This record gives sequence, structure tokens and C-alpha cells, in this order.
Amino acid sequence: GPKVLQIPSHQIIDMGQMVTLNCDPVSNHLYFYWYKQILGQQMEFLVNFYNGKVMEKSKLFKDQFSVERPDGSYFTLKIQPTALEDSAVYFCASSFGTFSGNTLYFGEGSRLIVV
Amino acid sequence: AQSVTQPDARVTVSEGASLQLRCKYSYSGTPYLFWYVQYPRQGLQLLLKYYSGDPVVQGVNGFEAEFSKSNSSFHLRKASVHWSDSAVYFCVLSAATGGNNKLTFGQGTVLSVIP
Repeated sequence: GPKVLQIPSHQIIDMGQMVTLNCDPVSNHLYFYWYKQILGQQMEFLVNFYNGKVMEKSKLFKDQFSVERPDGSYFTLKIQPTALEDSAVYFCASSFGTFSGNTLYFGEGSRLIVV
Repeated sequence: AQSVTQPDARVTVSEGASLQLRCKYSYSGTPYLFWYVQYPRQGLQLLLKYYSGDPVVQGVNGFEAEFSKSNSSFHLRKASVHWSDSAVYFCVLSAATGGNNKLTFGQGTVLSVIP
């Protein structure tokens, strides 16, 4: 089936540094998402993105977070500067449409550890 | 506000036994409901989804789920589990109005199938 690829799968980073998480969505999909899962907690919505713009973001999407998809390449989540509480698994997802019944396809996650 | 509760953090069953994973939701409107599965070292995969019609929906690999509006539930079932069904299962809700495909996840249930 359709696959969403995430790079890197794991990253350890010093607090205060910048990190970029990359997502290669399903090729004909138009909508992109990031979700965050802290160890032992529920997966939570961060942000969704369409046509070069953020459509909606949650309160977890702090000012230090940004997303972009330059020239149809990777859909990226950048955190600058990182904080200890940013340690989590970040899941990228994509869908063809935004209709609530559309299926989201998820990547395997990028595990971020901030030390 | 909407929420999803999976009351069982872990379920262990023997291979060949039947399975039910419980899911309760809270949402004032009409929900889209999904079950996703996450196998070890893989991304989330859609098992099945429900919006309207027959309250029993069939999914992949012999899974089915039954929607109950009166009980606000969407339990997942399988008649006979296989060891390869061992994974984490997520019950997920999407609001039917407002779009943007913002998903609300349950906490997940870890299923262990004993050979």
C-alpha cells in the first residue's frame, strides 16, 4: 500500500539545538500532518498543512515549531530551539483530501530524544 | 471537545482465541471512527473505518468492529487471533464537521498473542 517515509528514525540532540524531521508523503496526497506521541501517552495532533500553508495547529505546536514543504520535496517539521519536553515520537501523515472520512497514511515515526 | 478511551492498556490472548478490544468515545456530533494498528517498527495502518450505515464494519485480516451510538462505543473484534496480530491497536475519532482531518486518538491497547 501507499507509504509515508520518515527520516531520521531516531535522533539524539542537545537541548537548545535545532532539529529537522523529514517526511516523504504519499505521492499524490495534498494534505500533510504531524502528530506527537510522548512515551506512554496518547498520540496528539500538532498541525496540518495544505497548499503551502498551515491550516490548523494545536496548542502543542509551540512558537519554536515550524513546518514547510519547499518545492514539493520533503514535508518538514523544524524545532528551534529544542527543549527537553520535545522528546517524543513524531509521526507524519498524509491524505488525499481533507474530508473527515479520508484515510490518513502514517509513517513509522521519528524518535527524538533531547538531552 | 471529543475524546477516545481504550480502557485496556494491555490484552493477552492465546492463539486461536477470540478477541475484543474496547473503545469508548465522547463526541456530541456524528463521528468518523477508525481502528489503526501499529506493528513493531512500522507505521500505523488502517484496519477499518465507520461513518454510517451497517454498524458492523469489516476490515482487513478478519477484523470487524461494531458501532453503538447508545453506548458510544466502537469495539474491535476478531473470531480467531494469530500470533502475527500482536501489535498496538488505536481507536481513533475524527469529527464529521469542521474537516481538517484532526484525529483524536485513544491511548492504545497492546495486544500480545501467545502461541
